[in-house]
Amino acid sequence: QITLKESGPTLVKPTQTLTLTCTFSGFSLSTSEVGVGWIRQPPGKALEWLALIYWDDDKRYSPLKSRLTVTKDTSKNQVVLTMTNMDPVDTATYYCIHRNKLRYFDYWGQGTLVTVSS
Amino acid sequence: EIVLTQSPATLSLSPGERATLSCRASQSVSSSLAWYQQKPGQAPRLLIYDASNRASGIPARFSGSGSGTDFTLTISSLEPEDFAVYYCQQRGNWPITFGQGTRLEIK
Repeated sequence: QITLKESGPTLVKPTQTLTLTCTFSGFSLSTSEVGVGWIRQPPGKALEWLALIYWDDDKRYSPLKSRLTVTKDTSKNQVVLTMTNMDPVDTATYYCIHRNKLRYFDYWGQGTLVTVSS
Repeated sequence: EIVLTQSPATLSLSPGERATLSCRASQSVSSSLAWYQQKPGQAPRLLIYDASNRASGIPARFSGSGSGTDFTLTISSLEPEDFAVYYCQQRGNWPITFGQGTRLEIK
C-alpha cells in the first residue's frame, strides 16, 4: 500500500525559505520510471504542479524553477522540496504525489497547509 | 505552456442525471490527459488517465473520451458521492498543467 505524508512548517514569513519533506512508503524511488513530486493548491483555487524527481535523479520544475529545489534520499524514502523567497501568494496546501509508470499521479499525500504571513 | 480550459465552471444536476464535463487544450496533448476528482478537504483522486482509461477502483459510470485538444469526462448516472470538483491535467508537454476545475453541484 502506497502512502505519502508531507511535513514542515505551517507558517512562514515573507522572504523566508520553505522546506517541506515527503515521507513515503509502499514503493521505492529507485524503481525504474517512478517519480515523486509536489503540487500545490491555494485556498479555493486550482491545482498547480511544482516539481518532480525521478528514480534516476532527473528533475523537472514548473516555471517557478528559479525558486524551487527538489532532492531525494532513497535510503530514507524521503523527498524534500525547498522554495525560496516565500510570499503571501504562496499560501496553499502543498501535496506530495506519486507518479506511476504511466506518468500520472495516482497517490497523493493528505496535504499540508502552508500560510505565508508576517 | 499548455492552457487547459474547463467548461462549464459549475454544473448543477440531480442524482441519476448524466454529467458531461469538457476540457480544451490550447495545443494538442495527444491522449496524454487525466481527470481527477476532489471532494472538500480531501486530496484529488485519479479517475481517468490517457484520456479514456479508468484508474484502479473507479466505477464504470465514469468514462473519458477525446484526443488532441478536446476532451470529455462523462458520468453516466450521478450518484450522491459524485458531487465534487473535477480537474483535467495534461502531461503531453512540460510544464504539467491543470485546468481550473468544474464544480459539479446538486441541483
